[in-house]
Amino acid sequence: DVKVTQSSRYLVKRTGEKVFLECVQDMDHENMFWYRQDPGLGLRLIYFSYDVKMKEKGDIPEGYSVSREKKERFSLILESASTNQTSMYLCASSLFPKVGELFFGEGSRLTVL
Amino acid sequence: GENVEQHPSTLSVQEGDSAVIKCTYSDSASNYFPWYKQELGKGPQLIIDIRSNVGEKKDQRIAVTLNKTAKHFSLHITETQPEDSAVYFCAASIHQAGTALIFGKGTTLSVSS
Repeated sequence: DVKVTQSSRYLVKRTGEKVFLECVQDMDHENMFWYRQDPGLGLRLIYFSYDVKMKEKGDIPEGYSVSREKKERFSLILESASTNQTSMYLCASSLFPKVGELFFGEGSRLTVL
Repeated sequence: GENVEQHPSTLSVQEGDSAVIKCTYSDSASNYFPWYKQELGKGPQLIIDIRSNVGEKKDQRIAVTLNKTAKHFSLHITETQPEDSAVYFCAASIHQAGTALIFGKGTTLSVSS
């Protein structure tokens, strides 16, 4: 079975802190994604990557950056966390090139105080 | 930009009834339309998908229909059971992004016994 593992299920950070959310997948998938989930807003795409060191902006990249140094790992970085970044963050992976099933992790709930 | 509208936002049915969730999309180049189910505390999981060269697909109690001309697609669940209670998301592929998906805002389905 495909497994997408997000390093932290729950995080509490202070405004202005730098935050790293880590995601690892074990199925050699080329594509990896970061989504943000908020009540009433669904899942919104932050960034995605289709290869090592490659990244593409999604719908809401402002305030975020990403890193993909190894194929299996995709990190989401909040350079200076703000309260409006309090949310559930979901990582996903899929095969390339044909668009297909996304396999999601269980999510990281971030609270910024 | 691309947009996926999903209705209704909440849906309550009695066990054994049918449930229908509808989505519309804006990008005529979208060619892949999955549906995800998210249970409490978990990441979304694919339950059924359809590609643009197919009008309907069925898997046991769930079916998806696609009308490319009207740019809408629907999820049909028959003989609903309490374990069908969850949040359901539709999604459409984003042409420019190649392999990413844009999601609807979700439908909370409650099945009462």
